[in-house]
Amino acid sequence: DIQMTQSPSSLSASVGDRVTITCRASQGISNRLAWFQQKPGKAPKSLISAASSLQSGVPSKFSGSGSGTDFTLTISSLQPEDFATYYCQQYDSFPLTFGQGTRLEIK
Amino acid sequence: EVHLVESGGGLVQPGESLRLSCAASGFTFSSYSMNWVRQAPGKGLEWVSYISSSSSTKNYADSVWGRFTISRDNAQNSLYLQMSSLRAEDTAVYYCARVDYYHGMEDWGQGTTVTVSS
Repeated sequence: DIQMTQSPSSLSASVGDRVTITCRASQGISNRLAWFQQKPGKAPKSLISAASSLQSGVPSKFSGSGSGTDFTLTISSLQPEDFATYYCQQYDSFPLTFGQGTRLEIK
Repeated sequence: EVHLVESGGGLVQPGESLRLSCAASGFTFSSYSMNWVRQAPGKGLEWVSYISSSSSTKNYADSVWGRFTISRDNAQNSLYLQMSSLRAEDTAVYYCARVDYYHGMEDWGQGTTVTVSS
């Protein structure tokens, strides 16, 4: 199974900050990596797919990069609605696996 | 607009069975593979099962293999998850998600809650 390791597990930041979350795969997955945002009590929302492709309707403040085993999600100019939990997920092979999540909190 | 609505969750005792449904609309259901993903209380996301558009390919997480069965009815635009021999650790919110080969799980339902407890 491909293990997905996210860091950090939690992150405290202020409105207006720029933050970066990293995700490492235990083996190469090309660009078959997605990022999701989840708010309490809500379903996950797809932000980025194919490592760097922004989903329709997602603001350009979100960006993704990487290929192979190392990936990053960057969120610029944080706003109150961006404070949530973020997950990476590989869809290169079964079983599909998620990172453990990064909880982004307001400082 | 893609719309996915899960139903069928509830409270069951260990060892019992339950069937979840996911009603799809807003897209050509028969053209897309689908996934079930779950989230235990306070925990992260866990992929459960996958089914291809024609039902020719099915995959399961080891944690549910042999107990859960995924199926679909393209004529009814519906996805199902038959769960048997339920355990306490199956307690979770279960989501269905539409799958795009290149972009992964693009759209998710709101989830249905399954609680396994005596």
